[in-house]
Amino acid sequence: KNQVEQSPQSLIILEGKNCTLQCNYTVSPFSNLRWYKQDTGRGPVSLTIMTFSENTKSNGRYTATLDADTKQSSLHITASQLSDSASYICVVSYTDKLIFGTGTRLQVFP
Amino acid sequence: GAGVSQSPRYKVAKRGQDVALRCDPISGHVSLFWYQQALGQGPEFLTYFQNEAQLDKSGLPSDRFFAERPEGSVSTLKIQRTQQEDSAVYLCASSSTGIGTEAFFGQGTRLTVV
Repeated sequence: KNQVEQSPQSLIILEGKNCTLQCNYTVSPFSNLRWYKQDTGRGPVSLTIMTFSENTKSNGRYTATLDADTKQSSLHITASQLSDSASYICVVSYTDKLIFGTGTRLQVFP
Repeated sequence: GAGVSQSPRYKVAKRGQDVALRCDPISGHVSLFWYQQALGQGPEFLTYFQNEAQLDKSGLPSDRFFAERPEGSVSTLKIQRTQQEDSAVYLCASSSTGIGTEAFFGQGTRLTVV
């Protein structure tokens, strides 16, 4: 079964600290992997998209990595801000579908 | 429009009532997707359109769920005889071509069946 698993389920950090979120997937064949940020009550917003051949991609303070051999991805957030509090969802593109993970709920406290 | 627009934002329905959820994709976007997101879960695929053609409806949970996009732009997701387990946020996304390109999501419609 095609699955996307994320860890941790939830995370609390202090403002200014760094954190790393993990994603493991079993989806095959694999087109691309995305990280989305979803604020409470809003639709997901894309942070990064990586194809099979890309190892890393940055978007401001967000850096995603991909190891297609081990089927693992990570999202690193640098110098966290209060506005980073949200759910971060790993999404793998499979044929004409997007397979979503259940997300990591990040809370940043001052 | 500037983004994907969904209406209504919130809908409360009595069990057994029919509901219709609307999605206005970004103008010119060929592909349109519907997802269902239960509380605390990631979105799950329902159905996919390319223009007016419904290419994949494998995620629709039962024959009470029906989606259409008759002119290849606005789409409607209809749920007949709603049940409590239908309570969820229904997200719509559109992309300019296929799923390999950037998909933009609307804010969703939160459906509560009482």
